[in-house]
Amino acid sequence: DGGITQSPKYLFRKEGQNVTLSCEQNLNHDAMYWYRQDPGQGLRLIYYSQIVNDFQKGDIAEGYSVSREKKESFPLTVTSAQKNPTAFYLCASREVSSYGYTFGSGTRLTVV
Amino acid sequence: AQSVSQHNHHVILSEAASLELGCNYSYGGTVNLFWYVQYPGQHLQLLLKYFSGDPLVKGIKGFEAEFIKSKFSFNLRKPSVQWSDTAEYFCAVQRGGGGNKLTFGTGTQLKVEL
Repeated sequence: DGGITQSPKYLFRKEGQNVTLSCEQNLNHDAMYWYRQDPGQGLRLIYYSQIVNDFQKGDIAEGYSVSREKKESFPLTVTSAQKNPTAFYLCASREVSSYGYTFGSGTRLTVV
Repeated sequence: AQSVSQHNHHVILSEAASLELGCNYSYGGTVNLFWYVQYPGQHLQLLLKYFSGDPLVKGIKGFEAEFIKSKFSFNLRKPSVQWSDTAEYFCAVQRGGGGNKLTFGTGTQLKVEL
């Protein structure tokens, strides 16, 4: 089955450590996105990529970094510079010719 | 900056009651409009979408939404809710260019009581 895989589902890290969240898709979609979901704030865009080796900042990119070395993979690194990293992170992808998004099941990151 | 407003943050209804969730956006150009639902512990799912044409769109599970261009609104409706509709609902707006990004509203938590 085609889809988006985010792993792990739950992740715990100590404050001050960088952590990388995985997002893999086998849909052959060109565009990929990272959103952060917080209670009462909806989903906010962190980074997006429309093509391999290219990505752009979203609305809340500070403290995050991404890479897009392969079409199917778009990992997100939450750095120690991110002041409030505890959140639910959603990855999505989209075929360039379509407006519809496919979402992953998310990773809940807790920083203690 | 483009924004999406959902005025109802928490809604509690009894089964069989009618539902209307408000969504307003601030962008004046051509937009695509979406409603997504997130059931407890599940993926974000698309309920319905509007690109063009008939401003009244039908979605899954008996939901519908009406696009009113003059009011920049895209309200979600359901004539009779069920307990299984308990979920969080997100309105989202997309415009062309810039990666076709989706901008989401803050969400409405709906609880349907038996």
